[in-house]
Amino acid sequence: AQSVAQPEDQVNVAEGNPLTVKCTYSVSGNPYLFWYVQYPNRGLQFLLKYITGDNLVKGSYGFEAEFNKSQTSFHLKKPSALVSDSALYFCAVRDGTGGFKTIFGAGTRLFVKA
Amino acid sequence: EAQVTQNPRYLITVTGKKLTVTCSQNMNHEYMSWYRQDPGLGLRQIYYSMNVEVTDKGDVPEGYKVSRKEKRNFPLILESPSPNQTSLYFCASRGTGGNQPQHFGDGTRLSIL
Repeated sequence: AQSVAQPEDQVNVAEGNPLTVKCTYSVSGNPYLFWYVQYPNRGLQFLLKYITGDNLVKGSYGFEAEFNKSQTSFHLKKPSALVSDSALYFCAVRDGTGGFKTIFGAGTRLFVKA
Repeated sequence: EAQVTQNPRYLITVTGKKLTVTCSQNMNHEYMSWYRQDPGLGLRQIYYSMNVEVTDKGDVPEGYKVSRKEKRNFPLILESPSPNQTSLYFCASRGTGGNQPQHFGDGTRLSIL
């Protein structure tokens, strides 16, 4: 069965410091992996997706994600956090066998302190 | 502008009173989904649709109905709402191809008293 784990409910980081939001997954076949961000009173916005063969994927707003097949992880990273990055982040996975269902993690709240 | 539009954004109603949340997308997407978001549980898929007249259950379909009579519209129907359906609901759409990201509406907050 597909599953996604985001082990941290909240991540706190100082502005200017690097940030990491963790995600591990379990899925059949080669996975389709995504990160989304949610700001207050808004729907989820797409940040980036895994592209087969690229272990480091670059996305919107300076975010990137590191794919590790052996650890089945897809951690979200940013070299220098901004206060405006404070939001709720979701990792999502879709199996690569043609399935239509997407499974989301529980979400990680990122708080960037000035 | 490419968008997914949900209505209403907020609704407070009572147990048993039928309600419909509308969802419309202008991107000619084949796939559409409904999710509910609850604290600590992330997003859980209620129903999804692969195309007109083709729908299937997600992980939490009990108490909900959907229809897909037109490609752009995918309404969510609660025939007899109950308090445990109080939640934040999102509609999403995407194009064909497994690596296509979803586009989300801004959400509908339902309170069932």
